[in-house]
Amino acid sequence: AQTVTQSQPEMSVQEAETVTLSCTYDTSESDYYLFWYKQPPSRQMILVIRQEAYKQQNATENRFSVNFQKAAKSFSLKISDSQLGDAAMYFCAYRSYSGGGADGLTFGKGTHLIIQP
Amino acid sequence: DVKVTQSSRYLVKRTGEKVFLECVQDMDHENMFWYRQDPGLGLRLIYFSYDVKMKEKGDIPEGYSVSREKKERFSLILESASTNQTSMYLCASSRHAPPFEQFFGPGTRLTVL
Repeated sequence: AQTVTQSQPEMSVQEAETVTLSCTYDTSESDYYLFWYKQPPSRQMILVIRQEAYKQQNATENRFSVNFQKAAKSFSLKISDSQLGDAAMYFCAYRSYSGGGADGLTFGKGTHLIIQP
Repeated sequence: DVKVTQSSRYLVKRTGEKVFLECVQDMDHENMFWYRQDPGLGLRLIYFSYDVKMKEKGDIPEGYSVSREKKERFSLILESASTNQTSMYLCASSRHAPPFEQFFGPGTRLTVL
């Protein structure tokens, strides 16, 4: 079974600075998807960014980018120019490709990101 | 705008009651999921469904059942609620094709007394 580990229960960053959230995963598969989800205090889970394992290029979405190291099984999220609205729980998630069309996500335990004004 | 809705934001039930949590999606997604979220444990998959009347157990199905009579609706059932089922429940849906992105509802915080 796959496991996802987020080693930082909580992170704090000054507004406008850059922060990196860590995620490692364990799998024996070669094809899979990785996701970062954000859960603000409103509780609505929102997809931040995704990465297909077969793509070597790191995904980027505006201020959010990932550092995907397939050999190291590492998938960190970098948030540039942090804003107060970035304060939330961030979850890293793994999805097998071999599960076919239906399979759940395996989540890490989350990192609580605090933005200091 | 894609949308997943859940019948209640907050729910309080008594031990032994039968509890229904409803989820509806308007994106014509084939797949629907129920997760449980607990502090320090992240999200854990309870059940999922890939088609009407089809269901698959997730990682923690004990004490739960599900029903999917229509494509847009997926229900989670606690046959006899217990205090250890006090938790946040999140519903999600996705397409049956890559990239398998899941869209989540706002969650139901269930308290069992």
